[in-house]
Amino acid sequence: GAGVSQSPRYKVAKRGQDVALRCDPISGHVSLFWYQQALGQGPEFLTYFQNEAQLDKSGLPSDRFFAERPEGSVSTLKIQRTQQEDSAVYLCASSLGKGTQETQYFGPGTRLLVL
Amino acid sequence: QKEVEQNSGPLSVPEGAIASLNCTYSDRGSQSFFWYRQYSGKSPELIMFIYSNGDKEDGRFTAQLNKASQYVSLLIRDSQPSDSATYLCAVNIKGFKTIFGAGTRLFVKA
Repeated sequence: GAGVSQSPRYKVAKRGQDVALRCDPISGHVSLFWYQQALGQGPEFLTYFQNEAQLDKSGLPSDRFFAERPEGSVSTLKIQRTQQEDSAVYLCASSLGKGTQETQYFGPGTRLLVL
Repeated sequence: QKEVEQNSGPLSVPEGAIASLNCTYSDRGSQSFFWYRQYSGKSPELIMFIYSNGDKEDGRFTAQLNKASQYVSLLIRDSQPSDSATYLCAVNIKGFKTIFGAGTRLFVKA
């Protein structure tokens, strides 16, 4: 496809359940970002990949959050033992190059609701 | 103090007027500044980026950056109802980490 895709679009999880969120970046894009967006707030940085290397994971809120991009394309964000405060929209973005001035293209997001 | 601050609004302007959106940031080392538009229930889309002090114009949009005062603004000329959205200011703080403000909601009244 032409843009960033994410799946599932919606996910309802029971508290304590593990979830996996997938991101397919634009083909050829080197950089991939994950963000968490709570209702009424701006996206909050979680982690950054350059190809398969996770160069910054300073935004991951706890060790329950884990992200990977093993082949430098598709990325998965995994949340273990979900809590109600994890309810948010999880956005993935990709950019063509490595520079800090690159335009980030966002996917549609995965809306996670933890009951 | 938040790293990137915006007035949450809502900012209401009549159709055809100029909408002025402001953003301040705390890290003097910031180098890249972005404005995104986000419609309700949708993902952010880039409107403009600016790296140097001064003004940058693109169609009806003008971004203004003042590094000495640590603020960046977005002007929307000839506002249209379709411009009604939340506008997010984003700043590249260091490395590859981009910090977003909470956004300003803009309503353009027909």
